[in-house]
Amino acid sequence: NAGVTQTPKFRILKIGQSMTLQCTQDMNHNYMYWYRQDPGMGLKLIYYSVGAGITDKGEVPNGYNVSRSTTEDFPLRLELAAPSQTSVYFCASRPPGGASGYTFGSGTRLTVV
Amino acid sequence: SQELEQSPQSLIVQEGKNLTINCTSSKTLYGLYWYKQKYGEGLIFLMMLQKGGEEKSHEKITAKLDEKKQQSSLHITASQPSHAGIYLCGADSNSGNTPLVFGKGTRLSVIA
Repeated sequence: NAGVTQTPKFRILKIGQSMTLQCTQDMNHNYMYWYRQDPGMGLKLIYYSVGAGITDKGEVPNGYNVSRSTTEDFPLRLELAAPSQTSVYFCASRPPGGASGYTFGSGTRLTVV
Repeated sequence: SQELEQSPQSLIVQEGKNLTINCTSSKTLYGLYWYKQKYGEGLIFLMMLQKGGEEKSHEKITAKLDEKKQQSSLHITASQPSHAGIYLCGADSNSGNTPLVFGKGTRLSVIA
């Protein structure tokens, strides 16, 4: 199994550009999450989804949008990129119940210049 | 909202020494998760604690959850270079149905 796959791994955007960070999981997990990690700041939740067609805001949703049309995919859209969105973005998924923890992707390192 | 405080923020230990990392919650925990992250990589799940007083081990890493379920400690015995990385605790406070909140992490370096 591939687990959670994120693309791209690295990206440089200019201020005002838009892009979509892709996240796909092949474990049939219902729950999926997007976090951002800034240096020394831990992980902050952007959006999450408890199943196809259902999404909800996390702690830092401004400037982002998500969709969940299938169980496997949970793309994160950045509109009008700003320098404050420079960060490392992680997608994660988990099955119902918490004992097995979240499975994380390897991350997307985004720089906005 | 729930907050997790980790201490220390960073730690440098000599290979073979023992060390402890702490994670304190502002609210009673439903579940406490420990993850390890190597630079430039994703988070690897280590273990999850749920019951007060619970203790789990994975190779030379042991984690405990105190009886009041508001603090956890991660102990590494006889540290090795392979233990180096960032250790993060994550927690949920509502029957496992809320997204995890994470601490800021503890950066561990192991020197020969």
